[in-house]
Formats: sequence, structure tokens, C-alpha cells
Amino acid sequence: AQSVSQHNHHVILSEAASLELGCNYSYGGTVNLFWYVQYPGQHLQLLLKYFSGDPLVKGIKGFEAEFIKSKFSFNLRKPSVQWSDTAEYFCAVNAGGNKLVFGAGTILRVKS
Amino acid sequence: EPEVTQTPSHQVTQMGQEVILRCVPISNHLYFYWYRQILGQKVEFLVSFYNNEISEKSEIFDDQFSVERPDGSNFTLKIRSTKLEDSAMYFCASRGARGNAGETQYFGPGTRLLVL
Repeated sequence: AQSVSQHNHHVILSEAASLELGCNYSYGGTVNLFWYVQYPGQHLQLLLKYFSGDPLVKGIKGFEAEFIKSKFSFNLRKPSVQWSDTAEYFCAVNAGGNKLVFGAGTILRVKS
Repeated sequence: EPEVTQTPSHQVTQMGQEVILRCVPISNHLYFYWYRQILGQKVEFLVSFYNNEISEKSEIFDDQFSVERPDGSNFTLKIRSTKLEDSAMYFCASRGARGNAGETQYFGPGTRLLVL
């Protein structure tokens, strides 16, 4: 069965610190990969996605993610976080069929 | 920008009662989904719906659950006889008509269901 692992459940950073959130998935075939963000009190929003091509994808608000097929990973990065990045971040995988399989989420708190 | 909307935002019900959660997907989307997130757990897929029928469902989606698109705009999830363990946040999502199943799903704000 497909599964997605997010390594950190809670991350606390100071403003301007760099961010990297880990995501690994278990599926050997072609995958589509997503990072969603949920700001407090809001719905899940797409940050970025990878379908094919350049494994380094750029999303909104300065986020990027790198797909490393050999490591089954799709880590999310941002060079300098802001207080407004405080949110919960979800990695998700579509490996055929219709559904998304989500990781457990990482709660990021940025201290101002 | 078009959004998926859900009503109600919160619902409290007694165990054994029926509930209907409502969603209005983005207007030109043709694929519709329900997910749920029990407090402290992962977002889990329940069901997908296309062309007026279920295209995929999870083990969670048993006979107590049903989905319907009663008109051209609404997409509903019915739980016939709620159980305590149905307490969760329920998310509706939709995606466009392109053939790639990996196309982006757009999520609504969720309905928080509490079964007492």
C-alpha cells in the first residue's frame, strides 16, 4: 500500500531561518507529488506540485521542493521563513487512481 | 478565484442520527472527492466520484456512507447512522476534467463533525 512519511511533526524556527521539511513515499512507479499548506482557520491550499520534468519545482511564497527519485523523497524548502509561514504542511502523493495519500503533516511555528 | 465551499462548517449530532454534509465544487470541475481527518491523524481518502458514480472508495467508506450529486452544483456525503468514531473534519475536493489523475485537487474548508 502507498504511504507517505513526514519526518517532523512539529518544527519551531525563528524568522529568517531556513526550512526543510522531509517527505518520503513508498511506491515504485510513476508518482505525482504535492505539498499542501493549511494556515490557521483556513482550508488546504496547494503550495507546489511535481508531475514530470525538472525535479526542482518552485511554488508560491518562495517555497520549492526537490524530487529525488532514488530516495523516494520530495522535501520542501524555503531559504528564509517568515512569521506568516506558520501553518501545517502536508505532503501528498498520487500514485495512480484518483486518490491522494497524505502524510501526517508538519506543524511549523515561526517565532517573530 | 473559484473555491470549493462546504456547509455547515460545524455539525454536532447524536450517535445513530443521519447527517448530510454539503459541498459545492468548483463549477467546471468533474471529479469530486471526500476526505476526512480524525483529530491528530492523517487526512484519509474516503471516496471519489465522476460521471454520477463512485470511481474509487476506501475501506472506511462502508454501507453507512453514501454520496450524491443531486443537482448540477452540490455534492453531498451522507452518513446514515453516525458513530462516535465518525467524529472528524470532513473535506470535499474537486479537480478539473483533464485526463491526468494527478491533476491538482482543490479543497474546501471542511466540516467539523462531532458525534456525541
